[in-house]
Amino acid sequence: SAVISQKPSRDICQRGTSLTIQCQVDSQVTMMFWYRQQPGQSLTLIATANQGSEATYESGFVIDKFPISRPNLTFSTLTVSNMSPEDSSIYLCSVRTGASYEQYFGPGTRLTVT
Amino acid sequence: QQQVKQSPQSLIVQKGGISIINCAYENTAFDYFPWYQQFPGKGPALLIAIRPDVSEKKEGRFTISFNKSAKQFSLHIMDSQPGDSATYFCAAPDTSGTYKYIFGTGTRLKVLA
Repeated sequence: SAVISQKPSRDICQRGTSLTIQCQVDSQVTMMFWYRQQPGQSLTLIATANQGSEATYESGFVIDKFPISRPNLTFSTLTVSNMSPEDSSIYLCSVRTGASYEQYFGPGTRLTVT
Repeated sequence: QQQVKQSPQSLIVQKGGISIINCAYENTAFDYFPWYQQFPGKGPALLIAIRPDVSEKKEGRFTISFNKSAKQFSLHIMDSQPGDSATYFCAAPDTSGTYKYIFGTGTRLKVLA
């Protein structure tokens, strides 16, 4: 298993600002993902964070809005840029090792944009 | 791309009863099909997963039934308890050659004491 921590756990931000969310894993993992979850809704994949290269974004998500970094196999950041109230959501970091089916989620970052 | 349909959207069960949640997927892929349990304010937690070449997997009170020909799989919670009250998500492997899972829409389960 993998233990994932996220910072911050929650934040209230003003429209037009940016927030960077950190994800730290207690072991090296092959894949790291960033998800968004609206309250009471399902999990929507934003992007796959690739170590040493640009992230792979899902349809509807762009690098300028959600820049992602992954400098090593245990850490990644997601920035939500130029925020609007529509960005209010829970952002989840998730990891998976290529050799295992097991995918684990962090506790999430609850973002509110006013 | 994989599509996953999950039902019901919400479910109320009496304590000690059986909770059944169903999922259907569109495209065959050889990877596991997991179920996740999520409590309010927490991230989803891996509950149980099944390989597509197995018809059933049981772990304690939780059982996955898998019907490959019908492209359906379901989660059964036996002897449901109030502590099982949570949102449950099924997931199916993406078929684009990645290790991504595609998640269902979720089922909010409430077990009455």
